[in-house]
Amino acid sequence: DTEVTQTPKHLVMGMTNKKSLKCEQHMGHRAMYWYKQKAKKPPELMFVYSYEKLSINESVPSRFSPECPNSSLLNLHLHALQPEDSALYLCASSQPRGLGDEQYFGPGTRLTVT
Amino acid sequence: DQQVKQNSPSLSVQEGRISILNCDYTNSMFDYFLWYKKYPAEGPTFLISISSIKDKNEDGRFTVFLNKSAKHLSLHIVPSQPGDSAVYFCAASNQAGTALIFGKGTTLSVSS
Repeated sequence: DTEVTQTPKHLVMGMTNKKSLKCEQHMGHRAMYWYKQKAKKPPELMFVYSYEKLSINESVPSRFSPECPNSSLLNLHLHALQPEDSALYLCASSQPRGLGDEQYFGPGTRLTVT
Repeated sequence: DQQVKQNSPSLSVQEGRISILNCDYTNSMFDYFLWYKKYPAEGPTFLISISSIKDKNEDGRFTVFLNKSAKHLSLHIVPSQPGDSAVYFCAASNQAGTALIFGKGTTLSVSS
């Protein structure tokens, strides 16, 4: 099973809302990632969790708050977002032997902030 | 400053012919390279990778070539099929701990 699942597939939220994106994998991967992808751009790394601990935060604004409740789950809590935060949010996971190699991506959550 | 560059935004190829997608990188610390394929509204799908200790890796119709002295890699797809039409991203990492750095992608269109 090389599947990473993400929910919801689509999300529309206002600038005062609080919402969460969820990601799940059952491949035994101990590194999990959040990426943001704008149209016609490559994925850009936001956060990395390694063994359930936050290891990389790419200077992401505090309105994005990641959480890794256990080795299979990764959440991204959203609060007071701006319209420019509208994008495809991708979750990925990889084997624990090293960050970066052979990451498996979920289908993404298409977020629209109104 | 782009560390991974895909200078061709698009490529059109006829079915059955070879598709060659190119990627250049600037960071000599990169030691692992990957190719991903992405369809619209889906996440990237891992295709093939190569370590810097190799210069070629083959998996079915897909072959990746690495030229370290030129800091260049390429993905060959032979024979190309219409289902290969997608955006292809080149990515690189430094196994010391940084995450993937992606190029901007090349849109491949395979016509039948």
